[in-house]
Amino acid sequence: GNSVTQMEGPVTLSEEAFLTINCTYTATGYPSLFWYVQYPGEGLQLLLKATKADDKGSNKGFEATYRKETTSFHLEKGSVQVSDSAVYFCALSASSASKIIFGSGTRLSIRP
Amino acid sequence: DGGITQSPKYLFRKEGQNVTLSCEQNLNHDAMYWYRQDPGQGLRLIYYSQIVNDFQKGDIAEGYSVSREKKESFPLTVTSAQKNPTAFYLCATARTGDNYGYTFGSGTRLTVV
Repeated sequence: GNSVTQMEGPVTLSEEAFLTINCTYTATGYPSLFWYVQYPGEGLQLLLKATKADDKGSNKGFEATYRKETTSFHLEKGSVQVSDSAVYFCALSASSASKIIFGSGTRLSIRP
Repeated sequence: DGGITQSPKYLFRKEGQNVTLSCEQNLNHDAMYWYRQDPGQGLRLIYYSQIVNDFQKGDIAEGYSVSREKKESFPLTVTSAQKNPTAFYLCATARTGDNYGYTFGSGTRLTVV
């Protein structure tokens, strides 16, 4: 079946460091891929998405590229800020009629 | 502004009581979902509905019930049969026919006292 695997946290970085959070998936066909962010005490917000191979989603300095050959959708940011501290969820949807499958989440903490 | 309203934000329940969590949306989305999130954990699907007057069980439906009498509303009842109801509950919506992902509400934190 379809599944999402993302790196376990917590991840702790210093401000201005480079961030990578790994995400790989298993799915038949060509799923859509998402990254969501959850700030403390809040719901999830869509951070970025990609709907086909080689697409790059980007938002707020974060980027992720849909890699069909490696079934990956790693989240990157060149210089993190304290305000980026949150939990990040990778997710996929196999089709417009399918439920979204979420990874287990990665907690990110940024030190000043 | 279009969005999802979950109420209340915090809810306290005595053991043995039923309690209902509200989720209202004005996004005109067809599909609605309820998730449970435990501290430090991911999301687990409780129930979902893709059309009015129809809903399906998710992965952890036992001890919960829902209704979908109108498009805008998808209330979740946590019954006394749910043995460990303390958690953060999230409602989400989605348009059908596209793949734009879910929109989430701000959540309700339920605590059994």
